[in-house]
Amino acid sequence: GNSVTQMEGPVTLSEEAFLTINCTYTATGYPSLFWYVQYPGEGLQLLLKATKADDKGSNKGFEATYRKETTSFHLEKGSVQVSDSAVYFCALSVPSFSGGYNKLIFGAGTRLAVHP
Amino acid sequence: DAGVTQSPTHLIKTRGQHVTLRCSPISGHKSVSWYQQVLGQGPQFIFQYYEKEERGRGNFPDRFSARQFPNYSSELNVNALLLGDSALYLCASSWGTGSNQPQHFGDGTRLSIL
Repeated sequence: GNSVTQMEGPVTLSEEAFLTINCTYTATGYPSLFWYVQYPGEGLQLLLKATKADDKGSNKGFEATYRKETTSFHLEKGSVQVSDSAVYFCALSVPSFSGGYNKLIFGAGTRLAVHP
Repeated sequence: DAGVTQSPTHLIKTRGQHVTLRCSPISGHKSVSWYQQVLGQGPQFIFQYYEKEERGRGNFPDRFSARQFPNYSSELNVNALLLGDSALYLCASSWGTGSNQPQHFGDGTRLSIL
C-alpha cells in the first residue's frame, strides 16, 4: 500500500542551525510529493511540492528533492528561525485509476522547535 | 483572494448528536476534500467531491456523509457522534483531481465530543 514515514520529533534547534527532516515513502505508481506546515491552532499550509523524480521543490528557504532511487523527500533549510517552529507533514498523492480522485496520504508529522 | 474558509471554528457536542461542518473552497476550485486530524497525528482522508459528485471515500463508517453544492461549497455531516470523533476536521480544495495538484487547506473545525 501507499504510506509515508517521517522522522520522529520533536526536533529542537538553535536559531540559524541547519534543518533536516527525513521523509521516506512507499507508493504504487508515480506519486507526487508534498510538504505541509501546521502552525499552532491553524490548518495546513502548502510549503513545497515535487511531481516527478529529481524535481526539487523550494519555498521560503526550504528545499526538498524527489529521490526515486531512495524513495525519499527530505526537507532541508540552511538557517532556521524561531518563526519556523511548527509541525511539518510529508505527504504523497498517487493517481487513482478507478475513481478519478486524489487523496493525500500523510506522515505522522514532525514537530520543530527553534530557540533563540 | 480568499482562501478556504470553514465554519464553525469550534464546536462542542455530546455523544449521539449529529453535526454539520461547512466549507467554502478557493474561488475557481471545483474539488473539495475532507480530512480528519486526531491530536498528534497526520490528517486522514474522509471524502473527495468534484463537480458535486463523490469521487473518493476513505475508511470511515457510514455515519460520515458529505455533499457538494452547485457553488462548489461542501458540507460534512456526522451522525451518532462518538467520543472518538473528537478531532480537527480539515477541508481542502483544488482545481481538479489530478494527483499533481496541491490541495489547499482551511483552518479547520475543532470538534469536541463530551
